Amino acid sequence: AQKITQTQPGMFVQEKEAVTLDCTYDTSDPSYGLFWYKQPSSGEMIFLIYQGSYDQQNATEGRYSLNFQKARKSANLVISASQLGDSAMYFCAMREGMNTGFQKLVFGTGTRLLVSP
Amino acid sequence: GAVVSQHPSWVICKSGTSVKIECRSLDFQATTMFWYRQFPKKSLMLMATSNEGSKATYEQGVEKDKFLINHASLTLSTLTVTSAHPEDSSFYICSAIPPPKGLAGDTEFFGPGTRLTVL
Repeated sequence: AQKITQTQPGMFVQEKEAVTLDCTYDTSDPSYGLFWYKQPSSGEMIFLIYQGSYDQQNATEGRYSLNFQKARKSANLVISASQLGDSAMYFCAMREGMNTGFQKLVFGTGTRLLVSP
Repeated sequence: GAVVSQHPSWVICKSGTSVKIECRSLDFQATTMFWYRQFPKKSLMLMATSNEGSKATYEQGVEKDKFLINHASLTLSTLTVTSAHPEDSSFYICSAIPPPKGLAGDTEFFGPGTRLTVL
């Protein structure tokens, strides 16, 4: 079963506007971590933001914030004031709890974001 | 964030030859590193977990004899693609956790990747 689902293959946004990239996940483990990575055309995976399952508040890192809705099992990434340099592929990922040993990071299929002037 | 480097950034080789890719953690010690493969317009696929001083743990379906992993030091892991064939052409990317706490929130930092083309 797909553990991480990103339903938007591509998104367009105008410069300076906000955009939300969707991510839903599936796990029965009460302890898990959710991550967002950015992959520009150069290929490098850049860590953006992390949300823990027990975190009470939504994570924020500069222009990035994570809209964490635990009951709905969603962890959407919000990018405020989009910039041309935000054009890239964005991956949502999850690691489940470590009670049974190290768990690997599981990635979604990604969303390609294009920011237009 | 922590810095992970990879070398080379791209390599072209002839079919049948072996290619070695290096992954280094530059500002931290990494007891565990990871090797991923990414096909064009696809997500990352974990190939193996590289453990310093011990054998790598390979994911199901990954050929151990084809993709040799050596984690000889706390800052270096190598992936050798042996007897490479055109179907091995791909983007290979490594990552490391500095240092792993054994928690779900351990953040992986990735290298810039290596693009392998086998002719």
